[in-house]
Amino acid sequence: DTGVSQDPRHKITKRGQNVTFRCDPISEHNRLYWYRQTLGQGPEFLTYFQNEAQLEKSRLLSDRFSAERPKGSFSTLEIQRTEQGDSAMYLCASSLEWSASGELFFGEGSRLTVL
Amino acid sequence: AQKITQTQPGMFVQEKEAVTLDCTYDTSDPSYGLFWYKQPSSGEMIFLIYQGSYDQQNATEGRYSLNFQKARKSANLVISASQLGDSAMYFCAMSAIYNQGGKLIFGQGTELSVKP
Repeated sequence: DTGVSQDPRHKITKRGQNVTFRCDPISEHNRLYWYRQTLGQGPEFLTYFQNEAQLEKSRLLSDRFSAERPKGSFSTLEIQRTEQGDSAMYLCASSLEWSASGELFFGEGSRLTVL
Repeated sequence: AQKITQTQPGMFVQEKEAVTLDCTYDTSDPSYGLFWYKQPSSGEMIFLIYQGSYDQQNATEGRYSLNFQKARKSANLVISASQLGDSAMYFCAMSAIYNQGGKLIFGQGTELSVKP
């Protein structure tokens, strides 16, 4: 399978703990995106990378959130000192910079539950 | 700023009938892309169809067609011959630049239920 993969698929943690999610994009895609989706809402953009450079961050990405893509391949999203409001599905997507449609390919998401 | 509006929180359709899911958008840019994604209960976002702002004809992909009315800023999704497997959340989304991969702005979604 050469799609976008995310790990872990589910994470339950206690408030105040740190969590890290990993995303492996489609290998030839140079753009990688993180989205957050809460129940009953559409995905909200968090940040995106082109190769290893983080080109844009949403205001939703507080100081407790950090994302990296050190070698331009996989990416990690870390949340420090988790709060109950961080409970959500974290979606990763990848794309080519230029394509016929600019389509984003999504992974199955990492669901975070903060107790 | 770009914005996507989906005004139908939920829709019901009888199996084998056609259904239209509404989407309106707002942007001041002349170049943009419009997308529809399906999200079944498993959570994965599945790409359905794309329309570029400069495309003259409405996009079609199998049973999916996008009714693009640029002057009205609408991009409705039409699903023909609904199937039980079409039951899912459907999201309309917009990208800033035509044919360039970029961040998508999503609407709030429409939950479609197909009745047997």
